[in-house]
Amino acid sequence: AQSVTQPDIHITVSEGASLELRCNYSYGATPYLFWYVQSPGQGLQLLLKYFSGDTLVQGIKGFEAEFKRSQSSFNLRKPSVHWSDAAEYFCAVGGLRGGNKLTFGTGTQLKVEL
Amino acid sequence: NAGVTQTPKFQVLKTGQSMTLQCAQDMNHNSMYWYRQDPGMGLRLIYYSASEGTTDKGEVPNGYNVSRLNKREFSLRLESAAPSQTSVYFCASSEPPGGQENSPLHFGNGTRLTVT
Repeated sequence: AQSVTQPDIHITVSEGASLELRCNYSYGATPYLFWYVQSPGQGLQLLLKYFSGDTLVQGIKGFEAEFKRSQSSFNLRKPSVHWSDAAEYFCAVGGLRGGNKLTFGTGTQLKVEL
Repeated sequence: NAGVTQTPKFQVLKTGQSMTLQCAQDMNHNSMYWYRQDPGMGLRLIYYSASEGTTDKGEVPNGYNVSRLNKREFSLRLESAAPSQTSVYFCASSEPPGGQENSPLHFGNGTRLTVT
């Protein structure tokens, strides 16, 4: 069965500081990996995705993530956080074998201190 | 661009009442999904429809039924609501496997349901 672990429930960073959100996955084949962001009262918006190829993927809003197969990880990073980045972030895993049914992590709530 | 539209946005039900959550997408996607979101549990798949005319159970289907009315619309029905079904419900759509590299899910803004 596929699964995703986001070990940090809450993270607080200062505006301008760097950010790394952790994601570990379990999947029996080549995974498709995603990061989504959810602002309060909103649906989920795709930040970036990894299917194959270059293991460092760039997304919207200055976010990037690196796929490390040996560590089963897909951590999300941003060099300099803005106050508007405060939101909840979800990592998800899926693949062709899963029929595009994504499994989501439990989310990391990001707070940005001014 | 409307994307994925869910109605209603909010609903309060009494235990035992029934209701249908509506979802429509205008992106010509083949696949549609219903997830529920609960604090500390992320999103869990209730039902999905890989294409028009097909539906399948997800991780937490008990207490729910779905109808893929046409390519655009995918409804979720609670026949006899229970307090455990208090949650935020999200509809999503995407291309099916094999299309556009397993394209990402596009989400609606959710329906917040409270069952008392």
